Amino acid sequence: NAGVTQTPKFRVLKTGQSMTLLCAQDMNHEYMYWYRQDPGMGLRLIHYSVGEGTTAKGEVPDGYNVSRLKKQNFLLGLESAAPSQTSVYFCASSLSGGPPPDTQYFGPGTRLTVL
Amino acid sequence: LAKTTQPISMDSYEGQEVNITCSHNNIATNDYITWYQQFPSQGPRFIIQGYKTKVTNEVASLFIPADRKSSTLSLPRVSLSDTAVYYCLVGDPGTYKYIFGTGTRLKVLA
Repeated sequence: NAGVTQTPKFRVLKTGQSMTLLCAQDMNHEYMYWYRQDPGMGLRLIHYSVGEGTTAKGEVPDGYNVSRLKKQNFLLGLESAAPSQTSVYFCASSLSGGPPPDTQYFGPGTRLTVL
Repeated sequence: LAKTTQPISMDSYEGQEVNITCSHNNIATNDYITWYQQFPSQGPRFIIQGYKTKVTNEVASLFIPADRKSSTLSLPRVSLSDTAVYYCLVGDPGTYKYIFGTGTRLKVLA
């Protein structure tokens, strides 16, 4: 049982390039989330999904797109990377949304640098 | 969304009890209070959750007064491995949106 895995672990992009971050979970969770964490700051929710085929905007969705074609996978895309998107990206999943709020299980993170 | 306020950092010595207080003056009726722990270069990990009064599990206790405008995470007899950032989250599960805030950086000293 691997839990939540993220691919890749590190990536360096040039401004304007595109990339996709992959999150996979093997716990049969319905809900999945993408967060970003900047130095000295807490996590901010980018997008989330409450089930296969559904996505919704979080706190900071601009510049990102997501897709949830399979229940176990949640993809985060950057169409035209900007230096402001340099951050550590965390994916999480939970069995449901609650109530009470279900425990979110986090992946190890992807460190992205945009030059 | 209720905003949370926590101390930026705390130092403690091994074996001591540590109490971290979180202020959430605008907490809503449906909001729960959840605490997560984050070690360097790792994702956050769930510690404890509560709605009111006191909750205890094998690693921590959570104290919530009647007005629910604050909460206190209590870590008994901390060790060096408890050095981490602790986040207090307040959110309504119906909205799926939780504000992590900046957290409290706890450093346990030998």
